[in-house]
Amino acid sequence: ETGVTQTPRHLVMGMTNKKSLKCEQHLGHNAMYWYKQSAKKPLELMFVYNFKEQTENNSVPSRFSPECPNSSHLFLHLHTLQPEDSALYLCASSQDSGGAEAFFGQGTRLTVV
Amino acid sequence: AQSVAQPEDQVNVAEGNPLTVKCTYSVSGNPYLFWYVQYPNRGLQFLLKYITGDNLVKGSYGFEAEFNKSQTSFHLKKPSALVSDSALYFCAVRDTIYNQGGKLIFGQGTELSVKP
Repeated sequence: ETGVTQTPRHLVMGMTNKKSLKCEQHLGHNAMYWYKQSAKKPLELMFVYNFKEQTENNSVPSRFSPECPNSSHLFLHLHTLQPEDSALYLCASSQDSGGAEAFFGQGTRLTVV
Repeated sequence: AQSVAQPEDQVNVAEGNPLTVKCTYSVSGNPYLFWYVQYPNRGLQFLLKYITGDNLVKGSYGFEAEFNKSQTSFHLKKPSALVSDSALYFCAVRDTIYNQGGKLIFGQGTELSVKP
């Protein structure tokens, strides 16, 4: 248990659906991240939030929409996804310090049909 | 720009033998370097990190890593491998030119297989 909780663990959605992924941490961290992990590919950084402000958007398509209402919660809103968006979506958090390690959630396995 | 390379997709080791998983990096400033392990259907677990100081860093589960600035490498090592060490290993780097907790960039991962 890393202290970072992601829900749901598994999600199957159609291309016309709207769904949201949730991430929660109670570690007192003020930086939160979304990563995408596809088969045979390295982890792709999607978004970074520091003190609730988005500091990084790694050219992510607009069908992915992040939201960070406070330092403990991070959401990823999904709409009109494509089958190639199927992947493991990982949330992480860390202290706002370059040398701080990130703590990861278990991930949400997303399948777009 | 910062980047990480793990040149081996897979490493095979016999149980009891030493193991090495390779990592090289490229950053503009000085690096913060990390190793993570991922078991099937799980998130990433932190193993160890190099920030500054002693080039040999010791971490969880008997793993260690050596920072080599001249070779821009941060190889993960363990003197005696266990079957339970079989997993996916990721090297990651954060550039110190970022004042805040910015981008943590990962290598493509190395699948470690330890056979009895």
